[in-house]
Amino acid sequence: EADIYQTPRYLVIGTGKKITLECSQTMGHDKMYWYQQDPGMELHLIHYSYGVNSTEKGDLSSESTVSRIRTEHFPLTLESARPSHTSQYLCASSGRGSGNQPQHFGDGTRLSIL
Amino acid sequence: KNQVEQSPQSLIILEGKNCTLQCNYTVSPFSNLRWYKQDTGRGPVSLTIMTFSENTKSNGRYTATLDADTKQSSLHITASQLSDSASYICVVSDRGSTLGRLYFGRGTQLTVWP
Repeated sequence: EADIYQTPRYLVIGTGKKITLECSQTMGHDKMYWYQQDPGMELHLIHYSYGVNSTEKGDLSSESTVSRIRTEHFPLTLESARPSHTSQYLCASSGRGSGNQPQHFGDGTRLSIL
Repeated sequence: KNQVEQSPQSLIILEGKNCTLQCNYTVSPFSNLRWYKQDTGRGPVSLTIMTFSENTKSNGRYTATLDADTKQSSLHITASQLSDSASYICVVSDRGSTLGRLYFGRGTQLTVWP
């Protein structure tokens, strides 16, 4: 089993709230990713990081932000949640030699904004 | 436009039967192709990865094939089990940049009935 953890697993919250989705991995991987996935649809990359203090936006425009202060931690923040942010958010990581492909995924956070 | 198309969208089979899932892609240039299994409510788990020079790769009862000339891949599942019920996602990586980019299919939802 991969050692990558996401919390919370489920979150239902009202519009306008600030939200932080947590992602941690214990494998020492340099590369970490955030994907957004809607039911029956493909995963979309929204953020990635190649190491501490490195963050980049992905292919899908997102109002969320990320930070990478520690290797093992890659939280995603929404400053003011809206119903359009309702989705599943998947965190992933990959180590050296894997290119840019995520090797391990967390089990996701299913976010519902009322 | 680079795309990954998977078929069928959904499939129901009886336990013990074999099945084959298809993935057609137009991604160019091509780097590698990976199949993931995603259980409901969980993150994707990598099953196989194939580069241009590989045309078959097995992982237990899962066998993936790749025809880089026709840009087609298949995932064959032998002697299906109830635990095989999941979404199977085909992902293709290009090498158009140093980072490469991933193109995700929408997945095939497989249901195995007893």
